[in-house]
Amino acid sequence: DAKTTQPPSMDCAEGRAANLPCNHSTISGNEYVYWYRQIHSQGPQYIIHGLKNNETNEMASLIITEDRKSSTLILPHATLRDTAVYYCIVRVWGNQGGKLIFGQGTELSVKP
Amino acid sequence: GAVVSQHPSWVICKSGTSVKIECRSLDFQATTMFWYRQFPKQSLMLMATSNEGSKATYEQGVEKDKFLINHASLTLSTLTVTSAHPEDSSFYICSARDRQLNTEAFFGQGTRLTVV
Repeated sequence: DAKTTQPPSMDCAEGRAANLPCNHSTISGNEYVYWYRQIHSQGPQYIIHGLKNNETNEMASLIITEDRKSSTLILPHATLRDTAVYYCIVRVWGNQGGKLIFGQGTELSVKP
Repeated sequence: GAVVSQHPSWVICKSGTSVKIECRSLDFQATTMFWYRQFPKQSLMLMATSNEGSKATYEQGVEKDKFLINHASLTLSTLTVTSAHPEDSSFYICSARDRQLNTEAFFGQGTRLTVV
């Protein structure tokens, strides 16, 4: 599975949009982009995933560039509870044996 | 979303003893489960892939005789840390994927192991 690059940390003001970037320049055609987050001392929580179209759910939006070499996770109205480490992962969809390999992620701090 | 439960949430054991951690998929069947370990201030490191009815597949550098994995049913995988030592103290996390829906993986809440 392709590797990803994320900034180690970011700050965001409460109520503002948090935009978390991810580079995955070696992504291949059948690899999806997944986002998870981990709040301190808990297991990771699934947020969203996509292939090439932009995706939105109740938690966030995922914007994938046309060449698919990068993406941005958007939390539209960040709250203090969104403070967590956010992981961007690419892997092949539908692969039961496929494993999620975590990089270092981005530590997002939402401040009042 | 689907629920994955780990037990216990935390455990303290004496050096040299063995500890078993359970990972259950509560509302779905999982052919494959994954075990991770996480040290403070670090990312999750994949230890092994647990396959129902067959031997686990271990990542490079992970001792299979020390970290015994059993995936006896489609809803339960166990990780046993044998002859635990203080350096095994860590946060252990499992994940599972619904084999019917083939969806994203769901994670347990993790188990904090402290070896004294």
